[in-house]
Amino acid sequence: SQQGEEDPQALSIQEGENATMNCSYKTSINNLQWYRQNSGRGLVHLILIRSNEREKHSGRLRVTLDTSKKSSSLLITASRAADTASYFCATAFGGSNYKLTFGKGTLLTVNP
Amino acid sequence: DGGITQSPKYLFRKEGQNVTLSCEQNLNHDAMYWYRQDPGQGLRLIYYSQIVNDFQKGDIAEGYSVSREKKESFPLTVTSAQKNPTAFYLCASSQPRTAGNEQFFGPGTRLTVL
Repeated sequence: SQQGEEDPQALSIQEGENATMNCSYKTSINNLQWYRQNSGRGLVHLILIRSNEREKHSGRLRVTLDTSKKSSSLLITASRAADTASYFCATAFGGSNYKLTFGKGTLLTVNP
Repeated sequence: DGGITQSPKYLFRKEGQNVTLSCEQNLNHDAMYWYRQDPGQGLRLIYYSQIVNDFQKGDIAEGYSVSREKKESFPLTVTSAQKNPTAFYLCASSQPRTAGNEQFFGPGTRLTVL
């Protein structure tokens, strides 16, 4: 089964609100990454957090990592209609720094 | 422009035919990857290559083949042995570092079996 699982599967909010997505995983990780995918397009890397980090910021994005609970959250503040996309977490684990395992994603819809 | 390109954007195949999907990158990355994405699903790794002339099977390699003769190119062949090939195929590249392995994705090829 897939390493990461996002929650919720779908999220609909109004422009200006904050959006929070969660990711749970099963085994110890080297790092966890978040990607965005607009409909029918490739993925775009958003942020990477290493296993020894607890929180990271990038613009309107805030990622937290709790290795004791094997979970991560992605917060998008002051959302915009252009943030509408699917968001995936991906984990790198084990001895390989090459392979990433992706979750099924959260579909975020930001209504204008 | 630096980036990763895939062609064609849409591809139609008759049952029993092999088809090859193209992936090219000019980012000078050592590693390249092929993923398959089905509707409402995450990405599943088909094959990956850490360096030229070397590649490894991913989680769902059956019915697929790859080659890595040049650093810039990593074509994927979907063979007639792949029983359910209709899907969205994504190619990615990266330059793995100790700090992490951020992957850069192409725009994808949507393959439909008629």
